[in-house]
Amino acid sequence: AQSVTQLDSQVPVFEEAPVELRCNYSSSVSVYLFWYVQYPNQGLQLLLKYLSGSTLVESINGFEAEFNKSQTSFHLRKPSVHISDTAEYFCAVRGDFYGGSQGNLIFGKGTKLSVKP
Amino acid sequence: DGGITQSPKYLFRKEGQNVTLSCEQNLNHDAMYWYRQDPGQGLRLIYYSQIVNDFQKGDIAEGYSVSREKKESFPLTVTSAQKNPTAFYLCASSIVPFPTNEKLFFGSGTQLSVL
Repeated sequence: AQSVTQLDSQVPVFEEAPVELRCNYSSSVSVYLFWYVQYPNQGLQLLLKYLSGSTLVESINGFEAEFNKSQTSFHLRKPSVHISDTAEYFCAVRGDFYGGSQGNLIFGKGTKLSVKP
Repeated sequence: DGGITQSPKYLFRKEGQNVTLSCEQNLNHDAMYWYRQDPGQGLRLIYYSQIVNDFQKGDIAEGYSVSREKKESFPLTVTSAQKNPTAFYLCASSIVPFPTNEKLFFGSGTQLSVL
C-alpha cells in the first residue's frame, strides 16, 4: 500500500528565514502529489499539486515544491516565511485505484510550522 | 457563497450515546468524505460517498455510520461502539469521485469530546 512520510512533526523558524518541509512517498505507477495547509481551527486548503509535467510547482503565496522521482520526495519550500504562514502542512498522495485506498488521498501525519518574530 | 458547512463546531458525547455530525455542501459535488484527525496522526478516512444512496467504508469505519439520502448532505453518526471518539472530524467534497486533478474542499471541522 502507498504511504506518505513527513519526517518532521514540528518546524520552528524565525520570520524571513527559509524553510523546507520534507515529504517522502512510497512509489507507484502513477504519482499525484499534493500539499494541503490547515490554519488553526479550520479545515484543509489545497496549497499546490503535482500531476504531471514540470517537476517544480508553485503556489500563489510563495511556496514551491519539487517532485523528485529518484528520491521519491516532494519537499515544500519557501525562501522567506511570514508570521501568517504559521499552520500545519500535510503532504498527500493519491492512492492506487485498485489498491486498498481505492484512489482516495493518503495523507501524511502533518508538519506544524511555527514562525517566530 | 459556495462551500461546505459542518455543525456543530464543538460536540460532547456521554458514555453510551450516539451523536451525529452534520455536513452540508452547496457546491453540487458528487463525492463526499469524512476524515478523522488526531494530533500527530494526520487524516484518516472514515467513509466516503461517490453518489447519492451509495457509500463505502474507508480505513477506520468501525464504530461509525453514514447516510447519503441527498446530494448536499452526508451526516456522520458516531455510535457507542466507537470507544475512542475524541477527535477533530473533517468533512470534504469533490466534483467527481477520485479526482486526479481536482482538489478536495474541506469544511471547518467538528471537535468531538467525551464527557
